Amino acid sequence: LAKTTQPISMDSYEGQEVNITCSHNNIATNDYITWYQQFPSQGPRFIIQGYKTKVTNEVASLFIPADRKSSTLSLPRVSLSDTAVYYCLVGDGDTGKLIFGQGTTLQVKP
Amino acid sequence: NAGVMQNPRHLVRRRGQEARLRCSPMKGHSHVYWYRQLPEEGLKFMVYLQKENIIDESGMPKERFSAEFPKEGPSILRIQQVVRGDSAAYFCASSPRVGDGDQPQHFGDGTRLSIL
Repeated sequence: LAKTTQPISMDSYEGQEVNITCSHNNIATNDYITWYQQFPSQGPRFIIQGYKTKVTNEVASLFIPADRKSSTLSLPRVSLSDTAVYYCLVGDGDTGKLIFGQGTTLQVKP
Repeated sequence: NAGVMQNPRHLVRRRGQEARLRCSPMKGHSHVYWYRQLPEEGLKFMVYLQKENIIDESGMPKERFSAEFPKEGPSILRIQQVVRGDSAAYFCASSPRVGDGDQPQHFGDGTRLSIL
């Protein structure tokens, strides 16, 4: 299963757009890309998932280039409550198994 | 709809005792995954189960750890003869089917296991 690499930490300010890029060079044809958010003492919360091109929902957008070797999570106009750890994951299309990396700790400042 | 329910939320055991962690998947979900998270680290896959079957246990230690997902009732992760190194947060996730981009895994809030 493809390993993911993402920045360990990022800082932002309220109201800004935040883009977190993740690389997954060894992604397989059947694999899909998923992003989760985790707050302390809670389980990961699903944000968005995609296979290719662009996906948008009410909280985020996910950009995936044609070669699928990377993906970018875009959070529009972050607030203090968006301070959390964000995990980029590649899911095995056959088993559903998710491999977590260390995640990106996003700190949103006032 | 109730989400993934894990209990207990906190569990304290002494070395050598047994720990039993329970997970009730979301309604309609027949696939269950268990993950372990050490402090300041990401989650690590342990085991994937469907009803009455273990599909992938490649992330679970061969000794002292076992998991089941019976036809009726919650999934159980059992740790026998616990040691200090078993202290961690254990998360369960469920999904209705596998490998479908429209059906992500949903996680419970975990059981925090502390070994004295």
